Amino acid sequence: ELKVEQNPLFLSMQEGKNYTIYCNYSTTSDRLYWYRQDPGKSLESLFVLLSNGAVKQEGRLMASLDTKARLSTLHITAAVHDLSATYFCAVDMLRSGAGSYQLTFGKGTKLSVIP
Amino acid sequence: GAVVSQHPSRVICKSGTSVKIECRSLDFQATTMFWYRQFPKQSLMLMATSNEGSKATYEQGVEKDKFLINHASLTLSTLTVTSAHPEDSSFYICSARRGARGNQPQHFGDGTRLSIL
Repeated sequence: ELKVEQNPLFLSMQEGKNYTIYCNYSTTSDRLYWYRQDPGKSLESLFVLLSNGAVKQEGRLMASLDTKARLSTLHITAAVHDLSATYFCAVDMLRSGAGSYQLTFGKGTKLSVIP
Repeated sequence: GAVVSQHPSRVICKSGTSVKIECRSLDFQATTMFWYRQFPKQSLMLMATSNEGSKATYEQGVEKDKFLINHASLTLSTLTVTSAHPEDSSFYICSARRGARGNQPQHFGDGTRLSIL
């Protein structure tokens, strides 16, 4: 059974600081996604990481993937209040019983950026 | 592109009522659709996967008779919560994917907030 573990689950940080969210997963995967969720809203796709060593950046967020370590990171640079949200990683893999690819989500990291 | 419309966005109804939620892919054909449930401050929990024209595959612990899923066309899936009770109150999110292969991303609807009084 695939397990996806995120840490930390809660992160309070000051504006201007840097921090990293970690996402570990237990079995080989085809791809890994990062999503953002604002309170009361659905998911917003941030990044998809397809291969070992993949790195993607958008604004103050940078995601990377190490398939050998089964680890993805989401790095926040010089945080601003607008980045406050819950961030989820999700691993996409084929579920043999269902016969289709499905996402397995981490528990999410609630980020609060304090002025 | 790749827009998924979910309706209604919010439902408040009395216990015992059946509630239908629609999920439509507006600009692509969704071979596979997914229904998730999210409790406050928790992650998304997959309820079921549906492929067009076939019965949905439910996750362990999800009552098939309680949560009826229909995927009648390549652009529409519906979730009906039958005889809803307060414990069914939750945030329900659908997503849609072109094809069953993993090389296509899932596109998420805006979610439905269901409150049962």
